[in-house]
Amino acid sequence: KNEVEQSPQNLTAQEGEFITINCSYSVGISALHWLQQHPGGGIVSLFMLSSGKKKHGRLIATINIQEKHSSLHITASHPRDSAVYICAVSGLGSARQLTFGSGTQLTVLP
Amino acid sequence: DAGITQSPRYKITETGRQVTLMCHQTWSHSYMFWYRQDLGHGLRLIYYSAAADITDKGEVPDGYVVSRSKTENFPLTLESATRSQTSVYFCASSGVVGGYEQYFGPGTRLTVT
Repeated sequence: KNEVEQSPQNLTAQEGEFITINCSYSVGISALHWLQQHPGGGIVSLFMLSSGKKKHGRLIATINIQEKHSSLHITASHPRDSAVYICAVSGLGSARQLTFGSGTQLTVLP
Repeated sequence: DAGITQSPRYKITETGRQVTLMCHQTWSHSYMFWYRQDLGHGLRLIYYSAAADITDKGEVPDGYVVSRSKTENFPLTLESATRSQTSVYFCASSGVVGGYEQYFGPGTRLTVT
């Protein structure tokens, strides 16, 4: 069993829809990260959180430490949101190296 | 240029050759990381460094060598490239300022023929 599980693996939505991507983890963590990767592109950090909720524009990330679960929400989705979204966790060691989920491929249709 | 850069961006090499991928960051971040990204495996940690002259293995270190003589540079060397090392390689850095958020380089696409 992977330490970080994401669902769904693939998601297709219509423009304007509310989108949720889920992430569960099985190890102790210092923080959880949500990353975005566009086709052929680099990796951008969207959020790093260790408790509660963070919001940036149309993106919202939540984490429930007790349940070892996080969600990434996109409100009023747009075709430019089409990308791979990756959940990753920082371990408890001092280096905080990341362990990654397998990613969710999101396609938003106009 | 400010930020984190990688070179080359694309590289084709032959089996058995030595290849070095470069990573440079301008933030003086103490931590640097090398990841590889493969279909079916996602991103995996190869090596990381907590400071100059301090490096440690990650999940998939075999066939790779790293060094960190200066804080800003973290080169990754494939001593004798194999086809299984064909991948996209990402360097990342993080520091105390920013709460250990990781910043990724643009990636190097390496093909071993």
